Amino acid sequence: DTAVSQTPKYLVTQMGNDKSIKCEQNLGHDTMYWYKQDSKKFLKIMFSYNNKELIINETVPNRFSPKSPDKAHLNLHINSLELGDSAVYFCASSQGSAAGKLFFGSGTQLSVL
Amino acid sequence: AQSVTQLGSHVSVSEGALVLLRCNYSSSVPPYLFWYVQYPNQGLQLLLKYTTGATLVKGINGFEAEFKKSETSFHLTKPSAHMSDAAEYFCAVSVRAQKLVFGQGTRLTINP
Repeated sequence: DTAVSQTPKYLVTQMGNDKSIKCEQNLGHDTMYWYKQDSKKFLKIMFSYNNKELIINETVPNRFSPKSPDKAHLNLHINSLELGDSAVYFCASSQGSAAGKLFFGSGTQLSVL
Repeated sequence: AQSVTQLGSHVSVSEGALVLLRCNYSSSVPPYLFWYVQYPNQGLQLLLKYTTGATLVKGINGFEAEFKKSETSFHLTKPSAHMSDAAEYFCAVSVRAQKLVFGQGTRLTINP
């Protein structure tokens, strides 16, 4: 069983479209994250949820809207996609704070054409 | 603000040679420091972490790192490189126990 699973693995779409990425963790963790990795491999946190409550929103454009229906799921919806949104998006989870160990999904490669 | 800087975006060593990946941190409070590894087309995996206590930390796959407060460093080492160690390595610092801030990453290449 995959601990943190993301779907889809690849997403190719046109500018202006709306798309969603889903994430689920079966570890019983209470905190989930979205990270963006750009073409230079730089990783930056976007959002963090603890028990379905948003605790971190890192100056991400409001075209990006995370939704956590329960503490095992954190989905990412992106409106009006732009070329600059092309990146790999990673979901992660942890138990408690980020002083602990993060478990990452395998990533979603988003390509905006 | 907490941050980490990894020196060298690309390190290349021969199989069997010493691996040394450099990381320096900036933190106004005692830091929690981490090394993660990313294999191609995969997510990140924790190699090791320093929170408190012993400054020499051992991780998986024979890696270790030493926290040196006087040098604000947390360099990653492995005595003998293996072909399977080829990957991207990220140093990270925990910020207010809420999020991890990652360095720019170092790509490790192993030459046969």
